[in-house]
Amino acid sequence: ILNVEQSPQSLHVQEGDSTNFTCSFPSSNFYALHWYRWETAKSPKALFVMTLNGDEKKKGRISATLNTKEGYSYLYIKGSQPEDSATYLCALRDDMRFGAGTRLTVKP
Amino acid sequence: KAGVTQTPRYLIKTRGQQVTLSCSPISGHRSVSWYQQTPGQGLQFLFEYFSETQRNKGNFPGRFSGRQFSNSRSEMNVSTLELGDSALYLCASSFNRYTEAFFGQGTRLTVV
Repeated sequence: ILNVEQSPQSLHVQEGDSTNFTCSFPSSNFYALHWYRWETAKSPKALFVMTLNGDEKKKGRISATLNTKEGYSYLYIKGSQPEDSATYLCALRDDMRFGAGTRLTVKP
Repeated sequence: KAGVTQTPRYLIKTRGQQVTLSCSPISGHRSVSWYQQTPGQGLQFLFEYFSETQRNKGNFPGRFSGRQFSNSRSEMNVSTLELGDSALYLCASSFNRYTEAFFGQGTRLTVV
């Protein structure tokens, strides 16, 4: 993998569903991986900064894991709510490459 | 504390002109990065400055340039504007590479 890739590109879930997205990245020269949440008409806001292989971070219903050896990170949202609707971005901090994002829509 | 401030918020320029955008980072942050977002595209990295030195540069033509001042404020310049330069330009500041970046509200540039 040469670039940061995110999947799926978009996701539509019902309120209460749990969901997860993937961020894949080149595993060489790893510094840190950032997850951001970007709501429409607002600026991206940081969710997590992950630096160590095996890192697990949690903030409320949202959590993330990191595997630097195989080059991927997962973001999980438990019990999705309509206010979780946003684009979720991951970024490699060494050269600031962002993935294209996963656009999540949570239907009431 | 004050957030990242970008000026101006909106700008309309004519093709061929040049433009300068400004970004004031959060106090104490020495890293400033610039991004371009166009419809249907993700955030495209332009460049990163740290302590007045360009640390990284994205894959953009030489018409795009930037600089950082001793107070960490940064400017981005685009010369000979093209219609395709119409985009939202975001800057983000952080203390270092291991800390979260804080984004400004962006400058919406329209080239006509």
